[in-house]
Amino acid sequence: GQQVMQIPQYQHVQEGEDFTTYCNSSTTLSNIQWYKQRPGGHPVFLIQLVKSGEVKKQKRLTFQFGEAKKNSSLHITATQTTDVGTYFCAGDAGGTSYGKLTFGQGTILTVHP
Amino acid sequence: ETGVTQTPRHLVMGMTNKKSLKCEQHLGHNAMYWYKQSAKKPLELMFVYNFKEQTENNSVPSRFSPECPNSSHLFLHLHTLQPEDSALYLCASSQEMGTYSNQPQHFGDGTRLSIL
Repeated sequence: GQQVMQIPQYQHVQEGEDFTTYCNSSTTLSNIQWYKQRPGGHPVFLIQLVKSGEVKKQKRLTFQFGEAKKNSSLHITATQTTDVGTYFCAGDAGGTSYGKLTFGQGTILTVHP
Repeated sequence: ETGVTQTPRHLVMGMTNKKSLKCEQHLGHNAMYWYKQSAKKPLELMFVYNFKEQTENNSVPSRFSPECPNSSHLFLHLHTLQPEDSALYLCASSQEMGTYSNQPQHFGDGTRLSIL
């Protein structure tokens, strides 16, 4: 079955440093979604990438979808303490399974003030 | 306010008990999902309902039994659970499955389940 690997599992940064998490799917995806889960909270949708090579920005967050639509990355510039949480990628194989997501393990981000 | 409400927030039960988890969404969505979130593991999709029809059972043991009486409500009935079933159970909803690629999922706060 489809697998989605995400690295690193943990990342500790000083406030102001940059952060990147990488996501790799075993199969070609229709689209990929990113979610953030704050400690004690629930996953919250951040963004969806659909097109090959797509790049989207949300303020300090930059999301990329690989040309082969099998990998993706999330980059945060100049982290803040509010960025703390777990970042998940989730792959959607599409077709009749649109909406069925396979989640990566997540990257737990800790930001030290 | 998430638009997806789960009750109870916490549940402690013995292995021989029967209990149910409830999920209600106020977003007008037609697809609803149950996920299991264990420590250090990815979110595991358990069940999917699309327009009240179960479209996915991800090899979940029969001690978990879902029910979807309408598009707004989803239940997970629990019976004779094992200690390894202790986890956070998350409900999510989305517009619908199988039609569009644009399908963000909206999650509830989850039920923290502990099996004694």
